[in-house]
Amino acid sequence: AQSVTQLGSHVSVSEGALVLLRCNYSSSVPPYLFWYVQYPNQGLQLLLKYTTGATLVKGINGFEAEFKKSETSFHLTKPSAHMSDAAEYFCAVIGGGSYIPTFGRGTSLIVHP
Amino acid sequence: EAGVTQSPTHLIKTRGQQATLRCSPISGHTSVYWYQQALGLGLQFLLWYDEGEERNRGNFPPRFSGRQFPNYSSELNVNALELEDSALYLCASSTGQAANYGYTFGSGTRLTVV
Repeated sequence: AQSVTQLGSHVSVSEGALVLLRCNYSSSVPPYLFWYVQYPNQGLQLLLKYTTGATLVKGINGFEAEFKKSETSFHLTKPSAHMSDAAEYFCAVIGGGSYIPTFGRGTSLIVHP
Repeated sequence: EAGVTQSPTHLIKTRGQQATLRCSPISGHTSVYWYQQALGLGLQFLLWYDEGEERNRGNFPPRFSGRQFPNYSSELNVNALELEDSALYLCASSTGQAANYGYTFGSGTRLTVV
């Protein structure tokens, strides 16, 4: 069975500050990992994904994430937060023989002026 | 290219009634997935349809059911509605196995049970 833990249901940063959203997973086999973003009253949009290859993955809107197998982590970062980044962010994992992604509970990113 | 479309956007039902939610996948996508997003619970997997067949089911009671049509569109039916069924229901589609491609989500149907 696979699981995803997102530390912190809410993360608050100032505009221009570093964004760090944490995601740890458990999977019995090398996983596929995803980050999605959900803006208010919208569905989820794929930010980035790791399947194989380079462990540092770049996504849209300046976000990137690094797959660290030893730490079973896939944290999402952005060097400088913008007001438009305020949204809900979900980490998801596919692994353990299942083709169905398991999602974390989400982290709400709040950006202060 | 049209994205994943869901209808209706909002639905209000009375406890005990039935609700029908609809999803049209992206053209060329054969798999449709349904998720329930209840407040504070993240996304809970409901159902996966591929090529007209139910491939997997999440941990939900049988009153949650659905089907996929020959054009790959899908319906989610919720019978005997309960207050706790109030949630955002999201549909996603993919081609092939989601692992390699990721999902494309619709904007969801907000179901409110009163």
